[in-house]
Amino acid sequence: DAKTTQPTSMDCAEGRAANLPCNHSTISGNEYVYWYRQIHSQGPQYIIHGLKNNETNEMASLIITEDRKSSTLILPHATLRDTAVYYCIVRAYQGGSEKLVFGKGTKLTVNP
Amino acid sequence: NAGVMQNPRHLVRRRGQEARLRCSPMKGHSHVYWYRQLPEEGLKFMVYLQKENIIDESGMPKERFSAEFPKEGPSILRIQQVVRGDSAAYFCASSPLRSRLPSYEQYFGPGTRLTVT
Repeated sequence: DAKTTQPTSMDCAEGRAANLPCNHSTISGNEYVYWYRQIHSQGPQYIIHGLKNNETNEMASLIITEDRKSSTLILPHATLRDTAVYYCIVRAYQGGSEKLVFGKGTKLTVNP
Repeated sequence: NAGVMQNPRHLVRRRGQEARLRCSPMKGHSHVYWYRQLPEEGLKFMVYLQKENIIDESGMPKERFSAEFPKEGPSILRIQQVVRGDSAAYFCASSPLRSRLPSYEQYFGPGTRLTVT
């Protein structure tokens, strides 16, 4: 799986958009970009994933650059409950193993 | 639709005892994954199972750890002769029967916090 690079930490004001970047310059054509988050001490929560098109769901939007070397997760109106560690993961079908490889992620703090 | 269930949520064991962690996947999910999170560290993959089969155990320690996912009942992660270094949060995740492409997500349970005294 391709390696990802994320900022260690970010701050965001409550009600504002949180834009979390992720670099994955070695991504392969068949690798998807996934985002998960882990709120303190809880199990990770799936947020969104995409291949090459921008995606949106009830939680967030995912913007993937045309060359697919980076992406941005957007939380349009951050709340205090969005404070968490956000993980960007790229992965492909490996012919048998579907494990997720978590990096260190970005610790997002939403401030009142 | 109930989510992934794990029990117990907290488990305390003395050094040398056995720990059994249980995971019930979401309804309709036939794939189970176990991850471990040591204090102040990230999540690390341990093992991936389907019903009655271990698909990938590349993250499992070579000794004392085993996992199963029987035809009936929950998946079990078993740690024999626990040591203090086994103290961690153990998370289980499940996913549905996969398609050819990895376009599905894994749903995580709340975890079991193991403390070895």
